[in-house]
Amino acid sequence: AQSVSQHNHHVILSEAASLELGCNYSYGGTVNLFWYVQYPGQHLQLLLKYFSGDPLVKGIKGFEAEFIKSKFSFNLRKPSVQWSDTAEYFCAVKASGYALNFGKGTSLLVTP
Amino acid sequence: NAGVTQTPKFHILKIGQSMTLQCTQDMNHNYMYWYRQDPGMGLKLIYYSVGAGITDKGEVPNGYNVSRSTTEDFPLRLELAAPSQTSVYFCASSYAAGQSSGANVLTFGAGSRLTVL
Repeated sequence: AQSVSQHNHHVILSEAASLELGCNYSYGGTVNLFWYVQYPGQHLQLLLKYFSGDPLVKGIKGFEAEFIKSKFSFNLRKPSVQWSDTAEYFCAVKASGYALNFGKGTSLLVTP
Repeated sequence: NAGVTQTPKFHILKIGQSMTLQCTQDMNHNYMYWYRQDPGMGLKLIYYSVGAGITDKGEVPNGYNVSRSTTEDFPLRLELAAPSQTSVYFCASSYAAGQSSGANVLTFGAGSRLTVL
């Protein structure tokens, strides 16, 4: 079945640690890839997106993601996290059809 | 611009009651979506609309109905509420839905937290 898998459900990091959140998808053909972030008590906001071209995309707040087509992956990275990065992170895929398909999310807690 | 506005933000329903979650957008977006978010389950698509007068089912449509009489509004109706419908509901919109288009980026509302007791 077509799906979006996020490997880590809960991640706890200390400030200044590096972050990598995994995302794999099982859709064939052309895909558009997204990472959304949901800060506590807020709605989902777009962090970054990949449509085509350079597989390394940069988003807001120092986040970046790399599309590896051969691995069906779109992992999110940040070299040094801050306490304000505490949030839930969702990977999403746009394949055929109209809507985005979301992973189950990864809850990130950054401790001071 | 207000973006996507959802009302109410919070609501408690009794089992068997009905209610409508309102969603309106002022960005002239053609596409609108309703998702529900449950802890540890991510977001699941309930219904979507590609334009006024056109709606279609998503992954989890049972127990819900929608209508799209105008471009701006996309209300979600819960008929005969059940505890399984306790969730956070997000409305979203996009200008387009084609691939490889910046216009297919979704803008989300702030959410409606619904509890069915």
